[in-house]
Amino acid sequence: EIVMTQSPATLSVSPGERATLSCRASQSVSSNLAWYQQKPGQAPRLLIYGASTRATGIPARFSGSGSGTEFTLTISSLQSEDFAVYYCQQYNNWPPLTFGQGTKVEIK
Amino acid sequence: QVQLQESGPGLVKPSETLSLTCAVSGYSISSGYYWGWIRQPPGKGLEWIGSIYHSGSTYYNPSLKSRVTISVDTSKNQFSLKLSSVTAADTAVYYCARKLGWFDPWGQGTLVTVSS
Repeated sequence: EIVMTQSPATLSVSPGERATLSCRASQSVSSNLAWYQQKPGQAPRLLIYGASTRATGIPARFSGSGSGTEFTLTISSLQSEDFAVYYCQQYNNWPPLTFGQGTKVEIK
Repeated sequence: QVQLQESGPGLVKPSETLSLTCAVSGYSISSGYYWGWIRQPPGKGLEWIGSIYHSGSTYYNPSLKSRVTISVDTSKNQFSLKLSSVTAADTAVYYCARKLGWFDPWGQGTLVTVSS
């Protein structure tokens, strides 16, 4: 099983600032990585797939990078609606499909 | 656009079987793709339960495999989850989603509580 580890657990950022979230895989997942955003009481929403391709309707301030075992989600200028929990997920080796434990982006 | 909607009992007794259905609209399941179930215990992260192809081929999380059955009904354009011998640890919001490697879109989720 591939273990996905996200850091930090919580990120405190002021509106308008940049946020950088990390996701590490226990073994290479190539570029087969997705990022999701989840707000309280809502289902996760796909942001990024293929490590760097934005899903339909996702603003350009969200960008993904990385390959192999190290990945980054960057939010270039945080808006109020971006404060949420973010998860990464690998789909290179399955079963099982595995998620990171999440990073909470909170208002500083 | 593709939409998914979970349904089923919100309360299940310990040792019984949890049963949920996911109705798909805006896309015919028989046209392709995998479809899956993911759960999220209160205040915790996401756990993949299993996925099914339109042909009926299934893949399960090894941690749950002995208790999980996922089936598909293409005539009703829906797929279902059964989880047997539930305990309080199975209390979670259960989501269904279309799997393209990643999951998109997701249903709104349904909370299932295991309690006597």
